[in-house]
Amino acid sequence: QQQVKQSPQSLIVQKGGISIINCAYENTAFDYFPWYQQFPGKGPALLIAIRPDVSEKKEGRFTISFNKSAKQFSLHIMDSQPGDSATYFCAANTDSGNTPLVFGKGTRLSVIA
Amino acid sequence: ETGVTQTPRHLVMGMTNKKSLKCEQHLGHNAMYWYKQSAKKPLELMFVYSLEERVENNSVPSRFSPECPNSSHLFLHLHTLQPEDSALYLCASSQLIGPYEQYFGPGTRLTVT
Repeated sequence: QQQVKQSPQSLIVQKGGISIINCAYENTAFDYFPWYQQFPGKGPALLIAIRPDVSEKKEGRFTISFNKSAKQFSLHIMDSQPGDSATYFCAANTDSGNTPLVFGKGTRLSVIA
Repeated sequence: ETGVTQTPRHLVMGMTNKKSLKCEQHLGHNAMYWYKQSAKKPLELMFVYSLEERVENNSVPSRFSPECPNSSHLFLHLHTLQPEDSALYLCASSQLIGPYEQYFGPGTRLTVT
């Protein structure tokens, strides 16, 4: 119940294309869904986060789509650039608990020119 | 120094050695974490501290021993490690445990020979 399942494990996208990474969860108490981005040699860093009061959140080229009934959320990267090549982790947590973030297993994105 | 710093950045140790990893956060946070990152388990939570008290220990072997002397510092003491312990060890901090942004350090790349 505490797991967050992330797919795909790796993704190759042409420059200018759309990158889509999906996550699914079981725990209906989850109500905070962040995405982290990790470049080689660095620790992960928060990219964008959503709470279930909205179905979509957009920051620049990055959009989170959230489907509460399906218990799924996804990250869309529009106009993907080589500089977006990184590992992306979805995560989930609950506002009401004193528990750490639960992370997905990550997606390694490569954007090729 | 800003953010979360970790030292050393690289460490090679034999199976009989004793060494320590150090993490320092300059963000005034109350929660700190140790993660192990490897190809098999991309973000494996090891230990969680809140206000210098250990609140989570995810079945980590006793050859890993954490220490949190104050809210700004976190150590991971290592002894009699195995080659499969070779990984990137990441430290993170957050304001509190829960739905708060985690700030990660750059990690220590550990190789056990």
